[in-house]
Amino acid sequence: AQSVTQLGSHVSVSEGALVLLRCNYSSSVPPYLFWYVQYPNQGLQLLLKYTSAATLVKGINGFEAEFKKSETSFHLTKPSAHMSDAAEYFCAVPSQGGSEKLVFGKGTKLTVNP
Amino acid sequence: EAQVTQNPRYLITVTGKKLTVTCSQNMNHEYMSWYRQDPGLGLRQIYYSMNVEVTDKGDVPEGYKVSRKEKRNFPLILESPSPNQTSLYFCASRRQGRNTEAFFGQGTRLTVV
Repeated sequence: AQSVTQLGSHVSVSEGALVLLRCNYSSSVPPYLFWYVQYPNQGLQLLLKYTSAATLVKGINGFEAEFKKSETSFHLTKPSAHMSDAAEYFCAVPSQGGSEKLVFGKGTKLTVNP
Repeated sequence: EAQVTQNPRYLITVTGKKLTVTCSQNMNHEYMSWYRQDPGLGLRQIYYSMNVEVTDKGDVPEGYKVSRKEKRNFPLILESPSPNQTSLYFCASRRQGRNTEAFFGQGTRLTVV
């Protein structure tokens, strides 16, 4: 079964520092991959998605992610953190089989310190 | 504006009192689903529907019911809520296809006492 693992349930960075949120997927076949963000008291919204067109994917709010097949990774980065980036971030992969459900990682809560 | 609307946003109820959380989408999406979000567990799918009158269990369906009589609506029913169903619930919709984006509602925070 498809799954994703997010390393680090909490990540703390200083404003202006690099943001790196890790996601590894389990699949022998390159999957589709998604990053979602959840701001406090809100639903999830799509940051970016990988659909095999390009390995470096740019998303909203200055975030990007690089698909690395050799490492089975799809880490999310942003060169310079802003206070407004404080949120919870989820990596997701669609399951194989008929249900087409999205399987989510457990999430990484990002704190940005002034 | 494309959106998924859930109601209510907050709900406190007592054990055993039937409740319904409504979900409606305006994007003509075939696929709709319900998730619950619990600390440390991420999002887990409760039920999903691939089209009108087609529903199936997700990972944690016990204690929940759904129906899909119209394409836009996908209500979640708790016939006899229990405290372990206290959680944050999200409805989501997307077009059919594994590479399509899911759109989420704002969430319903349910407390069962």
